Amino acid sequence: EAQVTQNPRYLITVTGKKLTVTCSQNMNHEYMSWYRQDPGLGLRQIYYSMNVEVTDKGDVPEGYKVSRKEKRNFPLILESPSPNQTSLYFCASSLRSGVGNIQYFGAGTRLSVL
Amino acid sequence: GQNIDQPTEMTATEGAIVQINCTYQTSGFNGLFWYQQHAGEAPTFLSYNVLDGLEEKGRFSSFLSRSKGYSYLLLKELQMKDSASYLCAVKGGSYIPTFGRGTSLIVHP
Repeated sequence: EAQVTQNPRYLITVTGKKLTVTCSQNMNHEYMSWYRQDPGLGLRQIYYSMNVEVTDKGDVPEGYKVSRKEKRNFPLILESPSPNQTSLYFCASSLRSGVGNIQYFGAGTRLSVL
Repeated sequence: GQNIDQPTEMTATEGAIVQINCTYQTSGFNGLFWYQQHAGEAPTFLSYNVLDGLEEKGRFSSFLSRSKGYSYLLLKELQMKDSASYLCAVKGGSYIPTFGRGTSLIVHP
């Protein structure tokens, strides 16, 4: 089954404790991205990746890191989480970034930073 | 930059028709997407427009006017399960999609 898998689905942590949210897709997609979703603000892009070893900042990259060492995986790293990073996070992938490419989303990770 | 506007909330009656509008301003244009998102779930793809006109898919249709920077999503024969957020997303010249804040649709009996 074609899917985007995020783990964990729920996470409660404390300020400053490094964490990683994993994202994996089995569709051989080149383009992957991370979003955060907050009430009233919609989906905002954190980072995206056009292909292996190619990543770039989205609209709200501060406090986050990503890596793309393999095509299928695109982990989101919070080196020192802070309470303002409490949010619902989605990973998404599409075949490419060009015209007509539909994004497929993971089920989401709800993160609380205390 | 890109600017996308949609109404925050709409209500409609089961069985009725509702139109959700989306206006946008972008540098370049490479397509407009509509996604549906039920509360606490992932967005799922509904429709895509890159040329002017109407795209129909069962009960859902989407319209685009590039000259006006305008799209709408039309939902017919509303069902209770259509209660969800509807997200408009635009790909500008960079091919990176930008999402609007979403329209929360409440369908009541």
